[in-house]
Amino acid sequence: DSGVTQTPKHLITATGQRVTLRCSPRSGDLSVYWYQQSLDQGLQFLIQYYNGEERAKGNILERFSAQQFPDLHSELNLSSLELGDSALYFCASSVDATGGYEKLFFGSGTQLSVL
Amino acid sequence: DAKTTQPNSMESNEEEPVHLPCNHSTISGTDYIHWYRQLPSQGPEYVIHGLTSNVNNRMASLAIAEDRKSSTLILHRATLRDAAVYYCIRMSSGDKLTFGTGTRLAVRP
Repeated sequence: DSGVTQTPKHLITATGQRVTLRCSPRSGDLSVYWYQQSLDQGLQFLIQYYNGEERAKGNILERFSAQQFPDLHSELNLSSLELGDSALYFCASSVDATGGYEKLFFGSGTQLSVL
Repeated sequence: DAKTTQPNSMESNEEEPVHLPCNHSTISGTDYIHWYRQLPSQGPEYVIHGLTSNVNNRMASLAIAEDRKSSTLILHRATLRDAAVYYCIRMSSGDKLTFGTGTRLAVRP
């Protein structure tokens, strides 16, 4: 058990809908990262938050947004969903954001199916 | 331009050592080498990381070549639970963890 909690484990929805994925980082970790894993793209970094502030952006679509709350949990919002958004979404956390060398702890993911 | 190169797949027998190679010929002096693995239906899991010297922990050993252009992850006695995709990642300062395609390790009983 990594200590990172993601809910829900599975989500099935329809095209055009909006969903919210939730992540609770390990106790004491200030950084939260979101990754998307699909069969054709592999594991892709989406976005990072550190202590409530956006720290880095990766391949995140404009239809997607995230935030980190004062209690350090994070939510990833996916809107206007398309079939191609079906993927595993992982959250990870680390103690800080020292740039390049931090060790990440991953949750077990949310499997999103868009029908 | 791939930062690291790994074989797509490898096989090992249970209870035998496994050497997973990784090439990172364009590595710079301050880049770290990280290894993560992803077991079936789970999120990636940190294995080990190093800069120049060989590193050991309870999970594995990391042998880094003297010129740092390659490294090898060593599992001393493979178990069935070690069957996973192993990712070798070169990390520069400011980088975010970027996963390639990794090596899929199969362990035969």
